[in-house]
Order: sequence, then C-alpha cells, then structure tokens
Amino acid sequence: DSGVTQTPKHLITATGQRVTLRCSPRSGDLSVYWYQQSLDQGLQFLIQYYNGEERAKGNILERFSAQQFPDLHSELNLSSLELGDSALYFCASSAGVYNEQFFGPGTRLTVL
Amino acid sequence: AQSVTQLDSHVSVSEGTPVLLRCNYSSSYSPSLFWYVQHPNKGLQLLLKYTSAATLVKGINGFEAEFKKSETSFHLTKPSAHMSDAAEYFCVVSGDTGGFKTIFGAGTRLFVKA
Repeated sequence: DSGVTQTPKHLITATGQRVTLRCSPRSGDLSVYWYQQSLDQGLQFLIQYYNGEERAKGNILERFSAQQFPDLHSELNLSSLELGDSALYFCASSAGVYNEQFFGPGTRLTVL
Repeated sequence: AQSVTQLDSHVSVSEGTPVLLRCNYSSSYSPSLFWYVQHPNKGLQLLLKYTSAATLVKGINGFEAEFKKSETSFHLTKPSAHMSDAAEYFCVVSGDTGGFKTIFGAGTRLFVKA
C-alpha cells in the first residue's frame, strides 16, 4: 500500500459525458501527478501540481482539467468523453518536485 | 529535451537465471532516473532511483541498476530471477527543463519460465 488513494476504482460512462476522478496523496506529500495508461499509448504523463499550483503539463487534452485543493487532494476532470479516453488513470504523489513518486491503485475508466 | 528508450519490449528468462532490462536516456543535464515495476492490475511500485549519488543503485527485491553517463544508460539487473518478478518494468527520467517533466519508457514485459 503506497498511501495514495484514488476513487472510484472503476467508472463506466457514455460518450459525451463528464467525470471526476479523485486522488488523495500520501500524508506530507506536496506534489500530485496524473497519468493515463492505455494499451496503445502506454503510460502518459498528464499534469503535475505542487502545493496547489500547476507545475508541469504533459500530454493533457484540452477537454481534461485538474486542480489541487488546499488540503492537497487533487481532482482530474474529463469532459466530452470519447471512446478513446477509456484507460487506467493513475495518480501519484511525491514529497517535493524531484523526488520519487508513489502511485495509487488507479481508476479504470470505460467509455461506452 | 529528455527522452527514454527501453530497448526490449519483452524479455523472457528462466527462473534462477540473471535478468537484464535495458534503458537508454537522453537529457541535456543530469536527470533523476528511476525504475518502476507494475504487476498485473496493480499500480506502479518504485524499485530504485538514481539522483547523482552512487552510480550503482540498489533497490528492492534484489534489483540494482548502474548509471553510466558515457553510455547514457541505466540498465536494471538481478542476479537470479524469481517467478514473482514477472511484471512490466518502466524506466523513467525526470527533471526540470523550464517545466518539470517526467517521461516514462514504453515498458519491458518480463516473463519468467519455471
């Protein structure tokens, strides 16, 4: 158990819908990262927050957005969902910006 | 710019034989390098990390990796494979190039035969 929690574990929704994935980092960690893992694209870094501020952006679509709240939990919002958005979404946390990351168990999103 | 290349998409070994998973990286400065393991239907677990201290890094479960700057490599090794090592392994480079980035390799699937 890494100490990073993600909810929900599974999510099934329809195209065009909007969903919110939630992540609670390990106690004391200030950085939160979001990743998307799919069979065809592999593991893709989406975005990183550090202490509430966006720190780095990866291959995140404009339909996706994230934020980190004052209590350091983070949410990833996915809108106008497409079939191709079906994937495992991982959250990770780290103490600072350059430290090793600890991954949550993931949220499996299925878009029908 | 940073990049990371895992040279083998699949590696198959027999139980009790050595494991070598190869990773080359590209970076214009001294990056941090990591190896993660992902067992089926699980999240990623950190195996080991290099952050410019000792070039030979020891990790969990008997794995180690050697940072070779001249070869821009960070290969993962284990002297003797165990069935429980069967998983996907990711080499990761991270650092700040005017916007902190973390780049994962494509992964190497390790198969261990009895």
